[in-house]
Amino acid sequence: QQPVQSPQAVILREGEDAVINCSSSKALYSVHWYRQKHGEAPVFLMILLKGGEQKGHDKISASFNEKKQQSSLYLTASQLSYSGTYFCGTERLRGANNLFFGTGTRLTVIP
Amino acid sequence: EAEVAQSPRYKITEKSQAVAFWCDPISGHATLYWYRQILGQGPELLVQFQDESVVDDSQLPKDRFSAERLKGVDSTLKIQPAELGDSAMYLCASSYRYNEQFFGPGTRLTVL
Repeated sequence: QQPVQSPQAVILREGEDAVINCSSSKALYSVHWYRQKHGEAPVFLMILLKGGEQKGHDKISASFNEKKQQSSLYLTASQLSYSGTYFCGTERLRGANNLFFGTGTRLTVIP
Repeated sequence: EAEVAQSPRYKITEKSQAVAFWCDPISGHATLYWYRQILGQGPELLVQFQDESVVDDSQLPKDRFSAERLKGVDSTLKIQPAELGDSAMYLCASSYRYNEQFFGPGTRLTVL
């Protein structure tokens, strides 16, 4: 039930854009995105609910295609602070909130 | 800003010993989660509480792991006996109803 993330790792220069994908073989109710810096706890970024909405704040946004059971996280004009490992967590049943996390995408932003 | 508290931050133990981890969620958060995160992998849900009741413990190795949240506030996760494969980061998280989860700093367990 673990979602698959791609790419596994990506290196960007400051100002470049990146897309991280999350795909599930099961029907989903929601997708949660988290960022984890080395040695720290995961930090919540956003939730996307069934309905195909797109969300975003600052220069990070995400979309959810419920028909394909896929979500994508978009990082625009990357900053050094964006470095970390990004995880998607998928929720299959509404209100269950028992997330299945992907294996993560390690993002490194260099000057 | 309210945070999820966990202790200890680090624990080194020998196999076959018992270990216990403590978590204090953000005040008012009825839902509490325990995750295990192996290095290089995503968090894996071990147990989920709604108040003092277990909602999901399907991935908890019940022969050696136990969790409780007696008064619906703080929680304890126990491993007895610990095995080498239990070495990991144990994360606690809480949420208000079914919204974003707030994670604590974690307990890094090393089993020798």
